[in-house]
Amino acid sequence: DGGITQSPKYLFRKEGQNVTLSCEQNLNHDAMYWYRQDPGQGLRLIYYSQIVNDFQKGDIAEGYSVSREKKESFPLTVTSAQKNPTAFYLCASSIIASSTDTQYFGPGTRLTVL
Amino acid sequence: GDSVTQMEGPVTLSEEAFLTINCTYTATGYPSLFWYVQYPGEGLQLLLKATKADDKGSNKGFEATYRKETTSFHLEKGSVQVSDSAVYFCALSGPPPTGGSYIPTFGRGTSLIVHP
Repeated sequence: DGGITQSPKYLFRKEGQNVTLSCEQNLNHDAMYWYRQDPGQGLRLIYYSQIVNDFQKGDIAEGYSVSREKKESFPLTVTSAQKNPTAFYLCASSIIASSTDTQYFGPGTRLTVL
Repeated sequence: GDSVTQMEGPVTLSEEAFLTINCTYTATGYPSLFWYVQYPGEGLQLLLKATKADDKGSNKGFEATYRKETTSFHLEKGSVQVSDSAVYFCALSGPPPTGGSYIPTFGRGTSLIVHP
C-alpha cells in the first residue's frame, strides 16, 4: 500500500542535542512538507520541497534544517538552536504543489525535550 | 495574506445529533477548499474538498458547500456517531504570490466530541 511513514513515533531529546525525524513516501509525489502542530495552534509550515535537491523555508524555519536528496525522502533535523522544540511533527506530500492537490499526511512524530 | 477562521471547540454533541462546524476564509482569487480530519494520535486525512464556487464536497455523510458570496465552507453532518470524535481542520489553497508556490493555509482545528 502506498503512503507516508514517519519514524520514530515518539522521540525524546536532551537539551542541546540535534535530532533527525524521518519521513518517507512511496506515492511518487514531487512535493513534500513538514509541519509543526502545537495544541490549539493548528499546523505551521516549517519547510517544503517541490523537487529533489530544492527546498524552501516556511513560516517557522528557524532552528530546523532539511534535505531532499531523494524523491521519496525528506528528513527534518531539529537543531539545538530551536528554543522550544517539544511538539507534534507532521510530514505530508502531494503530487505537485497545486491549488487542487490533496495533501497526504504521515502518522506524526511526537518530540519531547527533557 | 490568506487566512482561515474556524469556530472554536470543543463541540460536544450526543450521538445522532446534527453537526455544523463553521469555516470562513480570506483569500485572493479562487482558492480550493478542504476539510481534513485528525483522529487522536494520528496524522490528518482528507475528508472532502471543493475546487470551485458552488461545488459541494461530500464523504462519509459529511458535506460542505463552497460559498463564494459568503466566503464560507461550513462542514455539516446529519447524524453524528461516537466514531466521528476527532479534530477537524478547514484549509484553503489559493493562487500564490508571483513566483511563489501553492502552500495550503490551515485553520486552528475544531475538536468534536460525540457522546453515546
